Order: sequence, then structure tokens, then C-alpha cells
Amino acid sequence: ELKVEQNPLFLSMQEGKNYTIYCNYSTTSDRLYWYRQDPGKSLESLFVLLSNGAVKQEGRLMASLDTKARLSTLHITAAVHDLSATYFCAVDRMGTGTASKLTFGTGTRLQVTL
Amino acid sequence: DGGITQSPKYLFRKEGQNVTLSCEQNLNHDAMYWYRQDPGQGLRLIYYSQIVNDFQKGDIAEGYSVSREKKESFPLTVTSAQKNPTAFYLCASKEGGRNYGYTFGSGTRLTVV
Repeated sequence: ELKVEQNPLFLSMQEGKNYTIYCNYSTTSDRLYWYRQDPGKSLESLFVLLSNGAVKQEGRLMASLDTKARLSTLHITAAVHDLSATYFCAVDRMGTGTASKLTFGTGTRLQVTL
Repeated sequence: DGGITQSPKYLFRKEGQNVTLSCEQNLNHDAMYWYRQDPGQGLRLIYYSQIVNDFQKGDIAEGYSVSREKKESFPLTVTSAQKNPTAFYLCASKEGGRNYGYTFGSGTRLTVV
């Protein structure tokens, strides 16, 4: 059974600081997604990482994937209040037949304070 | 514009009642999914479907049923057998092929009253 663990579960950080969210998963996969969720809302896609060593950046967020270590990171640079949200990683694997399916981590609730 | 439409946005269910959540997509995606989210937790897979008239159980299928009679539609029924149905339900779809991402609907919040 695939397990996806994120840490920390809750992160309070000051504006301007840097921090990293970690996503570990238990079985082989080379596709990993990062999503953002605001309270009461659906998921917003941030990054799709499709191969070992993949690195993607958008604004103050940068995501990377190490399939050998089964680890993805989401790095936040110089945090601003607008980044306050819950961040999920999700690992993509094949299900029954030809359909793939996502297994989500528990999420990291990020709170950026002044 | 293409996308996924979930309805209703809010739904209230009485004890012992079945309710059906709607999910419609006009993206021509092959695969569709239902996820459940409880407060402060991640998403868990209920059912998924790769093609019309075929679907598979996810991790928490007990107390739920689905159908896939049309490519565009994947309704979820929460039956009276689901003892704790209060949650946020998200529908998603995905185009075929390895490198495509998932598209999520806006969600339905179900509350038992």
C-alpha cells in the first residue's frame, strides 16, 4: 500500500523567511504533483514533476523530485502572507487497468505572519 | 470554457437517506475520480473510472456507489450505509497518457443533519 507522508503538518513562518516542506512516499513512482488549497476551496495545481531530478519554479515556490530517495520538496523563498494555505503533495501510480490514480499526503498548513 | 462542474455546492442529508452528488466534465477526459476530504486531512480516493461502464473501488468505497453511463458524467451516491458522510467531496478528471495532469471540480460539502 502506498503511503505518502508530509512534514511538517503545520508551519508558521515569518514573512521574508525561507522554508522547505518535505514529501516522502513509500513505493516507486516517477510522477508527483503539488497542490495548494485555500480554506473551503478546491485544489489549485502548482507543479507536476514527471522524472527523477525534475525541478520546477514558479514565483517564490520551487519543487523538486528525487525518485531514488522517494522524496519531493517544496521550497518557499522569502515568504509572503499570500502564500498562507494548505499544500498537498500527491503521488501518481497506475491503478486497475490503464487508469492512474493519486494518493495524497496529509497536507502542510502554512501560515505566514508579519 | 472547459472544466468540471460539481453540484450542488452544499448538500444536507438526513440520517438514513441516500443522496447523489453530480460531476460533469466537458474536457473529453477519459478518467474520472471521486475523492473525500475530512477537516484537516488529505484527500482519499473513493471510486475511479477509466472508461464508460467501468469503474473501480478506491481506498474508501464502502457506503458509496457510482455509475459511468456517459463519458462526461460520473455521479456519486452516498448511501445510508455510509455512517459518517459529512465531508468535502471533490471530483476530478484526467486526460489519457502519462504526462497529463488532473483537473478538479469546485467540490460539494455534504453535511448530515
